[in-house]
Amino acid sequence: EPEVTQTPSHQVTQMGQEVILRCVPISNHLYFYWYRQILGQKVEFLVSFYNNEISEKSEIFDDQFSVERPDGSNFTLKIRSTKLEDSAMYFCASSGEGTGGYTFGSGTRLTVV
Amino acid sequence: KQEVTQIPAALSVPEGENLVLNCSFTDSAIYNLQWFRQDPGKGLTSLLLIQSSQREQTSGRLNASLDKSSGRSTLYIAASQPGDSATYLCAGTNDYKLSFGAGTTVTVRA
Repeated sequence: EPEVTQTPSHQVTQMGQEVILRCVPISNHLYFYWYRQILGQKVEFLVSFYNNEISEKSEIFDDQFSVERPDGSNFTLKIRSTKLEDSAMYFCASSGEGTGGYTFGSGTRLTVV
Repeated sequence: KQEVTQIPAALSVPEGENLVLNCSFTDSAIYNLQWFRQDPGKGLTSLLLIQSSQREQTSGRLNASLDKSSGRSTLYIAASQPGDSATYLCAGTNDYKLSFGAGTTVTVRA
């Protein structure tokens, strides 16, 4: 069964540093997403990406964050100048055309120290 | 904005008992309702997807129903096993993003 692949599985970074989280969505999917889950809290939407541009973003997704699809397969989330409160599990997801379901990756646990 | 609530937050049952997990949502104009399983510290595994034109979906011991008029979905797990212990999340979408509930953490006692 097709999978969404995320790397790394765990990243530790110092406060103020930049991190890039990587994702390979399912190859024939058209919509790409980033979600995050702070420990003990709900999974929350960050951003959706379609046709090489952001289609929607939440209030969390401020100028500190950016997304990119640098080639035909990868989808990245960059967090500039990380803060302690950015510590969370970050999930990448993709979906096909129409009202099909979402497939999530296994997540990247980001720890900011 | 779609708000999703799951009750109860936690549930502990003996092995073999049937599980009933509840999910409610505020906006009946929902496209899809998807149920996920999350093991501790792990990712989200999709269990069942119910599209807006459907009323239920079944996969093995799992059955999920969707009642848009009442704003509710229910996940039934028949004959629970210790391996079913996990957190179960429901998520609904009115557009191209999911709104998640906080989950129900299930413990099945051997």
